[in-house]
Amino acid sequence: AQSVTQPDIHITVSEGASLELRCNYSYGATPYLFWYVQSPGQGLQLLLKYFSGDTLVQGIKGFEAEFKRSQSSFNLRKPSVHWSDAAEYFCAVGTNTGFQKLVFGTGTRLLVSP
Amino acid sequence: EPEVTQTPSHQVTQMGQEVILRCVPISNHLYFYWYRQILGQKVEFLVSFYNNEISEKSEIFDDQFSVERPDGSNFTLKIRSTKLEDSAMYFCASSERRGGETQYFGPGTRLLVL
Repeated sequence: AQSVTQPDIHITVSEGASLELRCNYSYGATPYLFWYVQSPGQGLQLLLKYFSGDTLVQGIKGFEAEFKRSQSSFNLRKPSVHWSDAAEYFCAVGTNTGFQKLVFGTGTRLLVSP
Repeated sequence: EPEVTQTPSHQVTQMGQEVILRCVPISNHLYFYWYRQILGQKVEFLVSFYNNEISEKSEIFDDQFSVERPDGSNFTLKIRSTKLEDSAMYFCASSERRGGETQYFGPGTRLLVL
């Protein structure tokens, strides 16, 4: 069965600094990978996704993620963090068969310091 | 931009009572999902729904749960006899196609069972 690990529960980054949120997945076939962001009181907003092709994917709000099959990772990056990026970030893997339920990681809460 | 909506945003109920959580998926989407997130835990898949049938359900989705698309726009999750452990945030999602298609999430309904 597929699973997702986000090893960092909390991360604090200074505004303007770079960010990397880690995600490791377990899935027997080629995964569909997603990063979602959840601001307080909001739903889950899709940041970016990887289905196939170029392993470096660009998303909204200046985020990017790189799929590394050899490391079973899909880390999220942003070169310069803004205070508005403070939120909870979820990595998820979807199956490529059936009706594609998403399996989520436990999330990483990003705090941005001035 | 079209979005998934959910009502109510918050619901408090007594243990043993029935609750119905409502969702309006994006209008041209055909696949519908419910997920839940117990406080402090990961987002978990409950059920997927297509063509007026359950496509897949998790172990969590037992006989106390049911889903329905009563008309052309609404998608509901019913919990027949709520338990304390049903307290969670419930997310509805929809997608245009299956098998890798992006799921768009609503803002969630926070259910508290007393």
